[in-house]
Amino acid sequence: QVQLVQSGAEVKKPGASVKVSCQASGYTFINYDINWVRQAAGQGLEWMGWMNPDSGDTGYAQKFQGRVSMTRDTSINTAYMEMSSLTSEDTAMYFCARVSSYTRRDLPFWGQGTLVTVSS
Amino acid sequence: DIQMTQSPSTLSASVGDRVTIPCRANQNISIWVAWYQQKAGKAPNLLIYRSSSLQTGVPSRFSGSGSGTEFTLTINSLQPDDFATYCCQQYNSYPWTFGQGTKVELK
Repeated sequence: QVQLVQSGAEVKKPGASVKVSCQASGYTFINYDINWVRQAAGQGLEWMGWMNPDSGDTGYAQKFQGRVSMTRDTSINTAYMEMSSLTSEDTAMYFCARVSSYTRRDLPFWGQGTLVTVSS
Repeated sequence: DIQMTQSPSTLSASVGDRVTIPCRANQNISIWVAWYQQKAGKAPNLLIYRSSSLQTGVPSRFSGSGSGTEFTLTINSLQPDDFATYCCQQYNSYPWTFGQGTKVELK
């Protein structure tokens, strides 16, 4: 079965960077885009961007342009999301999610989430 | 960016009720809407895709409808496990955007 397993919680100081991993199993990793979505406490979901694990192509929400990087290591079926220049407003749960095999757009498979806390 | 609006933010209902949750887009997005259920501390769970298609494994009491700018998620005969937050997502164009969610709580 499809599984996405994310790395553990992180605590970072303002101005630092964080790199979250998302290891996929149960399917051919390079065949489906991975998206990243975040959610601050008590808030709605916020789409951050997508990555094609085969080509490495990416697309980011304008809000995160220049500050986020989505990469992958196909040898270990793992996607990464790295964000720099963190502020307290980046404190949130970060999810990776795989697109469906049918529409290639909606998100039926999600990681368990990684809590990133930014605090001095 | 396309804005997805969900109102009300909270909806009170009883077990057995029929619940309808609206979602409005600020421009035409055809049928490219998904609905998710989310419980506290958990990842979202896809219920409906392409406006009205039921995701595999989701109970048939859930249904979706709409096109263009107006969309609805309906839960027939609300069950105890259905008390959660529901949000819509558009994937007609990037950046994908989500509604703020409607929390279904016990009346």
